[in-house]
Amino acid sequence: QQPVQSPQAVILREGEDAVINCSSSKALYSVHWYRQKHGEAPVFLMILLKGGEQKGHEKISASFNEKKQQSSLYLTASQLSYSGTYFCGTPDDTSGTYKYIFGTGTRLKVLA
Amino acid sequence: ETGVTQSPTHLIKTRGQQVTLRCSSQSGHNTVSWYQQALGQGPQFIFQYYREEENGRGNFPPRFSGLQFPNYSSELNVNALELDDSALYLCASSFGEEKETQYFGPGTRLLVL
Repeated sequence: QQPVQSPQAVILREGEDAVINCSSSKALYSVHWYRQKHGEAPVFLMILLKGGEQKGHEKISASFNEKKQQSSLYLTASQLSYSGTYFCGTPDDTSGTYKYIFGTGTRLKVLA
Repeated sequence: ETGVTQSPTHLIKTRGQQVTLRCSSQSGHNTVSWYQQALGQGPQFIFQYYREEENGRGNFPPRFSGLQFPNYSSELNVNALELDDSALYLCASSFGEEKETQYFGPGTRLLVL
């Protein structure tokens, strides 16, 4: 089962903040966040590891609650360039075979 | 840009035909994953190759097969194409223990008529 993201869609004005949540029914060992603009490939934003280590290369932040099997992505002072669809992703080998699963996605639109 | 390239960019095939899609990894990356993304959906994991061996597989039938070459480039082959195979096919490369920090290519858009 893929992680469920909320909200499904959000519209912001430039400068506003947004939070995107990712919830899994299975244990999460690491969570990744990607942004995909229309007609383009997903772009890696951030990785969150068990123990709280974060690695990213954009001016965004995220949290990872292993107990609650949740991750949240925080977009502050949003810019027009933040528009796109955001996906969380996580590895899953509970079936005995490695898989990588993306969440349901959150469409974000930032207006001027 | 990620340094991952895919060819061709677009392709039109008819039902029952076979197709081969190609991916060139980012320099130094030894892991490649393939995804299928239908319109309006998230990417679905097809399989992953690490050092020329299949390292994992999603819920796709055997007519989806792949190869990874010694230079870590990769191919995705789909036999007996069906209309539902129409999608954007993405490859992503990564390295070693950070194999899940994936860098995606621009994708190949496949249309099956």
